[in-house]
Amino acid sequence: SQQGEEDPQALSIQEGENATMNCSYKTSINNLQWYRQNSGRGLVHLILIRSNEREKHSGRLRVTLDTSKKSSSLLITASRAADTASYFCAIMNSGYSTLTFGKGTMLLVSP
Amino acid sequence: DAGVIQSPRHEVTEMGQEVTLRCKPISGHDYLFWYRQTMMRGLELLIYFNNNVPIDDSGMPEDRFSAKMPNASFSTLKIQPSEPRDSAVYFCASSPPRGVDNEQFFGPGTRLTVL
Repeated sequence: SQQGEEDPQALSIQEGENATMNCSYKTSINNLQWYRQNSGRGLVHLILIRSNEREKHSGRLRVTLDTSKKSSSLLITASRAADTASYFCAIMNSGYSTLTFGKGTMLLVSP
Repeated sequence: DAGVIQSPRHEVTEMGQEVTLRCKPISGHDYLFWYRQTMMRGLELLIYFNNNVPIDDSGMPEDRFSAKMPNASFSTLKIQPSEPRDSAVYFCASSPPRGVDNEQFFGPGTRLTVL
């Protein structure tokens, strides 16, 4: 089934720096969602972008979607140690009711 | 408002034993999803329900796995008999009636270890 692929698999930065994670997919989508997972916890929804949207903001998060390239990016600005987590993109395919998750990007933010 | 509740949080059992995982979705949500997460395969959808009815169980790996949702506030995932390769974290998630947006709300997960 369709699965988003995140890039990079792991990212290590210093506090205050920006973190950019990318997601690529292969088929048409209804929407694309980003989730965060702290170690040992469940996933938490961060932001959703619909197929007819190109950019969305939520606090320090900025998501872009390029349907022609079948890709999305998640930018976290002014990162904090508390942003350390795994980040997953999830694809809602057109005509389906379920999400397909990628394998995630592990982000480490050092103080 | 309480989020999705799962129990137990940790389960250690021996191969061949029956394992039952439990989930209470968020009140008012009519979709419920069971996922399995492993390092090798990532997060996999096992089965999902809408209004207590199983809609798609194509992700259930084998007949050893079964899931029920007897009412809107309770679901179980059962593995009988369990095997070491079933060791994983099992998540339950729920989502509200479908509109344009359909984010899912995850429980804390059950970490299952089968010895």
